[in-house]
Amino acid sequence: DQQVKQNSPSLSVQEGRISILNCDYTNSMFDYFLWYKKYPAEGPTFLISISSIKDKNEDGRFTVFLNKSAKHLSLHIVPSQPGDSAVYFCAASAPGGGSNYKLTFGKGTLLTVNP
Amino acid sequence: DGGITQSPKYLFRKEGQNVTLSCEQNLNHDAMYWYRQDPGQGLRLIYYSQIVNDFQKGDIAEGYSVSREKKESFPLTVTSAQKNPTAFYLCASSDRGRTDTQYFGPGTRLTVL
Repeated sequence: DQQVKQNSPSLSVQEGRISILNCDYTNSMFDYFLWYKKYPAEGPTFLISISSIKDKNEDGRFTVFLNKSAKHLSLHIVPSQPGDSAVYFCAASAPGGGSNYKLTFGKGTLLTVNP
Repeated sequence: DGGITQSPKYLFRKEGQNVTLSCEQNLNHDAMYWYRQDPGQGLRLIYYSQIVNDFQKGDIAEGYSVSREKKESFPLTVTSAQKNPTAFYLCASSDRGRTDTQYFGPGTRLTVL
């Protein structure tokens, strides 16, 4: 039972254009969401997060949008750069319970930015 | 220069042998975590520790063991009971708040022959 879904395994965009990575979740208890970027054979790097009390959070070229009613979030990268080429993971956490520190990850989307 | 170190980067072991993966952090974080990544999969939580001398099982703890004797160290032992040990193992740490960001180490690629 996959609670965090990234339905697009890969995405290809041109340098300078917008990249939009999508993430859906099924657990209505999730209230905190994060995006991580990962290069091959390296650990994930934190990009940006959003709490469920917000619907948008922006940090430089990265913006995360949260639509709670649709249980959907997206990461926008504008403008996209070749160095953004990596796997992007969406993650979520829920309060309470014995595993309240647990992050549930999606399977990732491979972004390729072409020069 | 603060961060999380994992050693070694690549590790090979024969089937049936236990192996211990190292994770050290100098970020003064209370919480530490071990995740496993398989090809085409997301990260799955093996064990986590919120404080020294305490740790909890994650989603896939069977065949693994951990210890947390020091704040900065959280070694993971992959035992012979783990049926599919070949994977990429990631250690992370964070402050104790639930929404405190988890920061990851560079990972260890374990291959069991």
